[in-house]
Amino acid sequence: AQTVTQSQPEMSVQEAETVTLSCTYDTSESDYYLFWYKQPPSRQMILVIRQEAYKQQNATENRFSVNFQKAAKSFSLKISDSQLGDAAMYFCAYRNPRGKGAQKLVFGQGTRLTINP
Amino acid sequence: EAQVTQNPRYLITVTGKKLTVTCSQNMNHEYMSWYRQDPGLGLRQIYYSMNVEVTDKGDVPEGYKVSRKEKRNFPLILESPSPNQTSLYFCASRRQGDYEQYFGPGTRLTVT
Repeated sequence: AQTVTQSQPEMSVQEAETVTLSCTYDTSESDYYLFWYKQPPSRQMILVIRQEAYKQQNATENRFSVNFQKAAKSFSLKISDSQLGDAAMYFCAYRNPRGKGAQKLVFGQGTRLTINP
Repeated sequence: EAQVTQNPRYLITVTGKKLTVTCSQNMNHEYMSWYRQDPGLGLRQIYYSMNVEVTDKGDVPEGYKVSRKEKRNFPLILESPSPNQTSLYFCASRRQGDYEQYFGPGTRLTVT
């Protein structure tokens, strides 16, 4: 079974600085999807960024980028120019593209990010 | 507006009193799921459905039931709730072949 581990329960960063959230995962599959979700105090789950394992290029969405290391099974999220609105719980998640595992997102434990003004 | 709705958003109940949390999506998605979120554990899948009348267990199905009689609705049923089912519950849906999963706003359930 696939597992996702976020080893940083809490992180904090000064506004306008850069922060990196860590995520490692375990799978025997060669093709899969990885995601970062943001959960602000409203509790809404918001997709931040996704990465397909077959793509070598790291995904980027504006100030958010990932460092995908397939051999190391690592998928970190970098937030540049941190803003107060980035304060939230961040979840790393994994999904198989096909088969029974395609119906399930496997989540990490979450990292609570605080932005200091 | 494309959305997943859940009701109620907050619920406090007592042990053993049957309850249903409704979930509805207006995007004609085939796949629907229920997750529970607990501190330090992230979100875990309870049940999922691939289409009408097709449901299967996720990782933590004990104490829960689901049904999928219509494509848009996927209710979660707790026939005899217990305090260990106190949690934040999310319904989610996805179109077959798409990456993105759409989440509902969450239901905070407290069982005393």
